[in-house]
Amino acid sequence: DADVTQTPRNRITKTGKRIMLECSQTKGHDRMYWYRQDPGLGLQLIYYSFDVKDINKGEISDGYSVSRQAQAKFSLSLESAIPNQTALYFCATSDSNTGFLSYNEQFFGPGTRLTVL
Amino acid sequence: AQTVTQSQPEMSVQEAETVTLSCTYDTSESDYYLFWYKQPPSRQMILVIRQEAYKQQNATENRFSVNFQKAAKSFSLKISDSQLGDAAMYFCAYRSRMDSSYKLIFGSGTRLLVRP
Repeated sequence: DADVTQTPRNRITKTGKRIMLECSQTKGHDRMYWYRQDPGLGLQLIYYSFDVKDINKGEISDGYSVSRQAQAKFSLSLESAIPNQTALYFCATSDSNTGFLSYNEQFFGPGTRLTVL
Repeated sequence: AQTVTQSQPEMSVQEAETVTLSCTYDTSESDYYLFWYKQPPSRQMILVIRQEAYKQQNATENRFSVNFQKAAKSFSLKISDSQLGDAAMYFCAYRSRMDSSYKLIFGSGTRLLVRP
């Protein structure tokens, strides 16, 4: 079974609709992230969470909100989707409890391709 | 703010040959990590290789190696004996050791084509 899962894998929606993307992990990591990938722009950070009670904005948080329901679950919501939010969305996790010299590598989910018409 | 630049949108290599993908970054920090990620058509982000800034020795993972030039702020990826399965998007990424978020800053990517 995959360690980081995302649902749905693909989604087509219409402008103005509310949509939620979900991420779950079985790695036991405390930190979770949402990134957005646009062609030619690489991945950009939307939100990140240190733990259930600590959520922080990334570089492109406008138009998005998140919820950390449990240590293993981190959801991304688009309250009113617009066409320029069409992109590939990735969830990632990281473990802060691996020591100061650790790479604290991020592990990515398989991505959700979202199309807003 | 840190930035990562990949100036080659697309590269092509003949199977079994060697190719080098370029990455430069800008930072005022002295302690950080650098990564190369591979994204095949499956979309999965796969960590290829990583480098700590305070280590002068270049990292190597099988056919993948890096040329880390700290003073020049350059972090290139060399793929030896290229295989068809190496065809993918490759992203260079930076992480500050001082930033407790562990967030990654990505370049725009290089698409690698492998000719049979």
